Amino acid sequence: DGGITQSPKYLFRKEGQNVTLSCEQNLNHDAMYWYRQDPGQGLRLIYYSQIVNDFQKGDIAEGYSVSREKKESFPLTVTSAQKNPTAFYLCASSMRTGWQETQYFGPGTRLLVL
Amino acid sequence: AQTVTQSQPEMSVQEAETVTLSCTYDTSESDYYLFWYKQPPSRQMILVIRQEAYKQQNATENRFSVNFQKAAKSFSLKISDSQLGDAAMYFCAYLMDSNYQLIWGAGTKLIIKP
Repeated sequence: DGGITQSPKYLFRKEGQNVTLSCEQNLNHDAMYWYRQDPGQGLRLIYYSQIVNDFQKGDIAEGYSVSREKKESFPLTVTSAQKNPTAFYLCASSMRTGWQETQYFGPGTRLLVL
Repeated sequence: AQTVTQSQPEMSVQEAETVTLSCTYDTSESDYYLFWYKQPPSRQMILVIRQEAYKQQNATENRFSVNFQKAAKSFSLKISDSQLGDAAMYFCAYLMDSNYQLIWGAGTKLIIKP
């Protein structure tokens, strides 16, 4: 099956701990994205990557880091510098060629602070 | 800066009837894409319909159609023959042709009454 997978479904973070959220796609998409969703709000862009070994900050990148070593993978690390990490995190990807701009989403990871 | 506004936090409709969700956006760009996404209780973000700004014809996908008014910067979603499975949060989103960022509205919660 082609698609986007995120793991884990739920993640618990202790104070001062870094945690990493996984995002994998087998759609052969060039671009990948991380969004944060808080209750009652739309999505906010954390980071995005157009190609391997390249990524850019979105609107709320502080306290987060990413890597893009493989086309299929775009992990997000929530660092201890992110003081309010409790949220729902969505990963997306898109072909990024002309009309094929549509972003497709994974099932999400809910991060909770202990 | 581009913004997307969904003025209806919540809408309800009787099963089998038609409902229209509103979306307006602000941009100075001439080329862009508009999307409606659906987020059911599972929280998976699912593409409903997309519209390219250069196309005058309104997009249609089965029971879902849009009313795209470029001059008015309006992009409403019409759902015909509403079904219980349509109950979800609906998000309107704008994508500039020149970059990757999707700008999201705050969402409209759609309730289907049996």
